[in-house]
Amino acid sequence: NAGVTQTPKFQVLKTGQSMTLQCAQDMNHEYMSWYRQDPGMGLRLIHYSVGAGITDQGEVPNGYNVSRSTTEDFPLRLLSAAPSQTSVYFCASSRDGENQPQHFGDGTRLSIL
Amino acid sequence: GDSVTQMEGPVTLSEEAFLTINCTYTATGYPSLFWYVQYPGEGLQLLLKATKADDKGSNKGFEATYRKETTSFHLEKGSVQVSDSAVYFCALSMNNAGNMLTFGGGTRLMVKP
Repeated sequence: NAGVTQTPKFQVLKTGQSMTLQCAQDMNHEYMSWYRQDPGMGLRLIHYSVGAGITDQGEVPNGYNVSRSTTEDFPLRLLSAAPSQTSVYFCASSRDGENQPQHFGDGTRLSIL
Repeated sequence: GDSVTQMEGPVTLSEEAFLTINCTYTATGYPSLFWYVQYPGEGLQLLLKATKADDKGSNKGFEATYRKETTSFHLEKGSVQVSDSAVYFCALSMNNAGNMLTFGGGTRLMVKP
């Protein structure tokens, strides 16, 4: 049971570099989301998708791009990394339906120098 | 905007002690409320939920009651175990799908044998 798989688990970047964080789920879930987790601030929603071809912004979208070309994959792109984007990133997915539980990946710890 | 406030941790208890983690929320409508738990090195897992006022969510000995009059959703457990050591997040969702979560800052629980 793979569930939600995030790669890589750890990454160090230099300011200005670009990178894509991968997220894949094998549960045929319609909804997928990206959150960032910072100390004392809980998780904050970056972008989300309600199905293939449909994405929208969350609470903190600036500096991040997403696309959803398939149901399974929801990559998060940093076009020009900044130190403020140092964080732990979590991808989540859920079924369509009322108050379905979010299934989270194990996270990607990203450091921007 | 919507927000969730949790008591700051860490909370340190001895095994078999009673646990309360306070959570209050601010929302313009009637949210669904959730408790998620994060074990070390893992993503978040849904612990319990309540979708309307006076509902009680329960799971694994944990309980929380949706109190509209006090806008609260406090987490309780009668007898904690060492294996309950984790970070606990209170969250709300304003949409029926529950896939756009607003999280509190998290409370770390440490249970000593």
